[in-house]
Amino acid sequence: DTAVSQTPKYLVTQMGNDKSIKCEQNLGHDTMYWYKQDSKKFLKIMFSYNNKELIINETVPNRFSPKSPDKAHLNLHINSLELGDSAVYFCASSQDFGSGGSLNTQYFGPGTRLTVL
Amino acid sequence: AQKVTQAQTEISVVEKEDVTLDCVYETRDTTYYLFWYKQPPSGELVFLIRRNSFDEQNEISGRYSWNFQKSTSSFNFTITASQVVDSAVYFCALSRDNAGNMLTFGGGTRLMVKP
Repeated sequence: DTAVSQTPKYLVTQMGNDKSIKCEQNLGHDTMYWYKQDSKKFLKIMFSYNNKELIINETVPNRFSPKSPDKAHLNLHINSLELGDSAVYFCASSQDFGSGGSLNTQYFGPGTRLTVL
Repeated sequence: AQKVTQAQTEISVVEKEDVTLDCVYETRDTTYYLFWYKQPPSGELVFLIRRNSFDEQNEISGRYSWNFQKSTSSFNFTITASQVVDSAVYFCALSRDNAGNMLTFGGGTRLMVKP
């Protein structure tokens, strides 16, 4: 069984469009995340979210917004897509929000490759 | 601010050689966590190990071993008797305590193991 899943795996779209990437985890974790990996393989946090708190990396444009219908899902919605948004987006989850112990280990989804034309 | 540096962008070895991937970190926190992840050609990110800042004991898991030294702010990863299946990009990462658990990644080291 897949622990953290993302759909779609590939997404090709035109500039200016709005798109969403879905993420689901079946691990019973409390916290979910979105990361962006650019063409040079640099991985950067975008959001950290549990049912109490959303933490946004200050470098993330407000065109990006996480939406969580329930604890097992954290979808990434992107408005007015730009060429520079092309990247691989990874969803992750952890049992805890960062209070220590082994519960803060993050497990990643397979990634979604977004291409903006 | 936190920072993770993986100075080796690419390493190439021949199968059965030992190889060490370096990771140096910067943080002002006294409590923090260090991680290694593997990204094979298929693209997923696979968790390998987690260490907290109070546990400097080295760890061995099969052919993998990790050397954590606070004195030099390093968390190096050694693969013994490398295999072709070890070919991947390896990322070192750091997270703070009670800060939303967000990971700061190093730039990654691409390891190529040739038969």
